Amino acid sequence: GAGVSQSPSNKVTEKGKDVELRCDPISGHTALYWYRQSLGQGLEFLIYFQGNSAPDKSGLPSDRFSAERTGGSVSTLTIQRTQQEDSAVYLCASNLGVSTDTQYFGPGTRLTVL
Amino acid sequence: AQSVTQPDIHITVSEGASLELRCNYSYGATPYLFWYVQSPGQGLQLLLKYFSGDTLVQGIKGFEAEFKRSQSSFNLRKPSVHWSDAAEYFCAVEGGRRALTFGSGTRLQVQP
Repeated sequence: GAGVSQSPSNKVTEKGKDVELRCDPISGHTALYWYRQSLGQGLEFLIYFQGNSAPDKSGLPSDRFSAERTGGSVSTLTIQRTQQEDSAVYLCASNLGVSTDTQYFGPGTRLTVL
Repeated sequence: AQSVTQPDIHITVSEGASLELRCNYSYGATPYLFWYVQSPGQGLQLLLKYFSGDTLVQGIKGFEAEFKRSQSSFNLRKPSVHWSDAAEYFCAVEGGRRALTFGSGTRLQVQP
């Protein structure tokens, strides 16, 4: 079946602009995760959605970052007023929301802030 | 809070040689442990995971890992490395909050 998909695959933006990154999880997966992979910080957790529960936003680095998940499926990560340090690969993952269940990762969106 | 340490940033092995990638974790209870592989330009793929039972777990592509509670380790091994194994390897722990905490990764280079 189809895996996790993300769009766009690459995004170049200017400092100060807002960007939206999209994630389509595997059908039937109730949990969705956003991670960021950067040279300086490695792979770090950003936000986690599980069903209709309030999201775990504990990993968001600043209030410029926000995410929503509509209808329990597609998720959008929004970065407002982008800064150069936001340049990274943003990875999305999904699973059934159980700790022992594998998280399946998408190919990522490479964000470059000029 | 949980943490993961991968002490080796970069490892080079010859094709056909054995491989061991080190991973140490910090977590108060029994963690759920994972190894992922990331090939250039690719997403993360799960190699294997441990959450209970037999401390030696088998994964895909001939990899295995052993959970050692006394050493807080979960080292990844492969008896004979293939050129296609060249990639970056990440150890991760799930410590009760569902999201994964990753180590900094080990880049594997395979020499012919």
